[in-house]
Amino acid sequence: QQQVKQSPQSLIVQKGGISIINCAYENTAFDYFPWYQQFPGKGPALLIAIRPDVSEKKEGRFTISFNKSAKQFSLHIMDSQPGDSATYFCAASSSSYKLIFGSGTRLLVRP
Amino acid sequence: DGGITQSPKYLFRKEGQNVTLSCEQNLNHDAMYWYRQDPGQGLRLIYYSQIVNDFQKGDIAEGYSVSREKKESFPLTVTSAQKNPTAFYLCASSTAGTGGYGYTFGSGTRLTVV
Repeated sequence: QQQVKQSPQSLIVQKGGISIINCAYENTAFDYFPWYQQFPGKGPALLIAIRPDVSEKKEGRFTISFNKSAKQFSLHIMDSQPGDSATYFCAASSSSYKLIFGSGTRLLVRP
Repeated sequence: DGGITQSPKYLFRKEGQNVTLSCEQNLNHDAMYWYRQDPGQGLRLIYYSQIVNDFQKGDIAEGYSVSREKKESFPLTVTSAQKNPTAFYLCASSTAGTGGYGYTFGSGTRLTVV
């Protein structure tokens, strides 16, 4: 019940296209859902996050869509650029300290 | 600037040696964490600490040890009991009681067995 399932494992998108990464969770106590972006050889960095009281949050080209009833959330990257090529992790947490991370998605944006 | 500093960036270990990875933060965070990341894989929790002088095992604690004598520091020792230590090690910290909000990672240490 503590797991966060992430898909796809890898994704290839053409420049200018939309990248979509999906995550699902079971624990209804989760109330914080961040996405992290990791470039090779670097630590993950917070990209965008959402709480379950809203269904969507947008920051620039990055949007989180949240479906509380389905216990799913997704990251949409609009107008994907080669510089967006990285590994993306979804995560979730409740009142505990720890974030529970998804398994990661390797995104490659072709020029 | 506030952040997490991991050192060294690269570390080489001979068979049978213990090595210690350093993690220091100046974010005044209460909680600190160690993760292991294998190539193309996700993040696996090794140990975490919510307060000074206290820590808990994560999912893959065997072959590792930690200490938390100061709020700012959470060193990880990879012991000779860890049979496959080659990996990328990440340290993170967060504010207490915020449910993961403000989770910040260091830049990692790449450990290689030679």
